[in-house]
Amino acid sequence: SQKIEQNSEALNIQEGKTATLTCNYTNYSPAYLQWYRQDPGRGPVFLLLIRENEKEKRKERLKVTFDTTLKQSLFHITASQPADSATYLCALDNNQGGKLIFGQGTELSVKP
Amino acid sequence: DVKVTQSSRYLVKRTGEKVFLECVQDMDHENMFWYRQDPGLGLRLIYFSYDVKMKEKGDIPEGYSVSREKKERFSLILESASTNQTSMYLCASSLATTAYGYTFGSGTRLTVV
Repeated sequence: SQKIEQNSEALNIQEGKTATLTCNYTNYSPAYLQWYRQDPGRGPVFLLLIRENEKEKRKERLKVTFDTTLKQSLFHITASQPADSATYLCALDNNQGGKLIFGQGTELSVKP
Repeated sequence: DVKVTQSSRYLVKRTGEKVFLECVQDMDHENMFWYRQDPGLGLRLIYFSYDVKMKEKGDIPEGYSVSREKKERFSLILESASTNQTSMYLCASSLATTAYGYTFGSGTRLTVV
């Protein structure tokens, strides 16, 4: 069956450390993988997109990797801050004309 | 800034009522989507539309219908609200390809009593 899996347990880290979140998928062949941030009671906000032929993408303190052999994406936040505390969702397309399939998200808590 | 506006942040309706959730986007996006989000179940696609008057069922369309008469507006209709439709409803829009991200609205927290 098709699955997208993110760490269901919350990730707690200390301010200044690097947070690493994982997204694994099964029985999909995505052309793109995306990461979103969601704050409580709000809609998700798009952060980064990485294509299947890209290994790594960076934006400021964010870095995303995409390994189509392992069927995994890693999302890193370097020099994390309490303001980075949120739920992070990964999403992939399945070459089905514009639809995204979302993971359940991982909650990140950055302590001062 | 792309904006997706959902008409209500909070809504309380009675069982059996017909409920309309409205969504408007201002960036000429082709695609529009309705999701519901529940704890432990994540985002689940209800319906989407890739053009005016076009619609396709998502993963959980039962009990819902949609309308897209104009490109900028996508309405979700609960034909006869039930308590199991209590949820956070999220509208999103995007360009025609997933090479670009979705823009989400702020969500409507619907409670059916």
